[in-house]
Amino acid sequence: EAGVAQSPRYKIIEKRQSVAFWCNPISGHATLYWYQQILGQGPKLLIQFQNNGVVDDSQLPKDRFSAERLKGVDSTLKIQPAKLEDSAVYLCASGRAGVSTDTQYFGPGTRLTVL
Amino acid sequence: TQLLEQSPQFLSIQEGENLTVYCNSSSVFSSLQWYRQEPGEGPVLLVTVVTGGEVKKLKRLTFQFGDARKDSSLHITAAQPGDTGLYLCAGAPNSGYALNFGKGTSLLVTP
Repeated sequence: EAGVAQSPRYKIIEKRQSVAFWCNPISGHATLYWYQQILGQGPKLLIQFQNNGVVDDSQLPKDRFSAERLKGVDSTLKIQPAKLEDSAVYLCASGRAGVSTDTQYFGPGTRLTVL
Repeated sequence: TQLLEQSPQFLSIQEGENLTVYCNSSSVFSSLQWYRQEPGEGPVLLVTVVTGGEVKKLKRLTFQFGDARKDSSLHITAAQPGDTGLYLCAGAPNSGYALNFGKGTSLLVTP
């Protein structure tokens, strides 16, 4: 089966600009996650969707970050405006059941550099 | 947020050596997962452990979940260059909670 697709793979922007990332999960997976991975750290959950509803967005900086999952399939994550500390790899993952013992399948990530 | 401490942070060994990396917390987890992440890629699940004291083997990799479900270890026997990567542990207090990831152990195995 095809894996999780993400685009773009790399993005360089200046601070205060806007940026959007796209994720296409594995077909049939109900759960979709967005993570932020800063260099030298593990992934930090930003938001979890179950179908097209939000399950957990407690760590999403809502003043600048937004995410949506269109029709319960693809998802976009937006940052507006970007700050220097947003430089990180943004990982998308999908899973079947949305519980902690579920296997999460990760995409390759989008590496964002904010100058 | 439950904190997962991983040690060592970095490990550089030669092919054929054995190694153990650790994942510790002061909190109890209902389950714990180990992932490996290679440069430029997303993490890939290696194993899920759910029972205190559980031991799982995956070829040369042995995973153990502590009796109290607060810690875990990953032992690699006869490491190979293909084992190089970032090893991440992740856990949740119960099945309805999101995973918390540790910072990882970066392993380099040289020929």
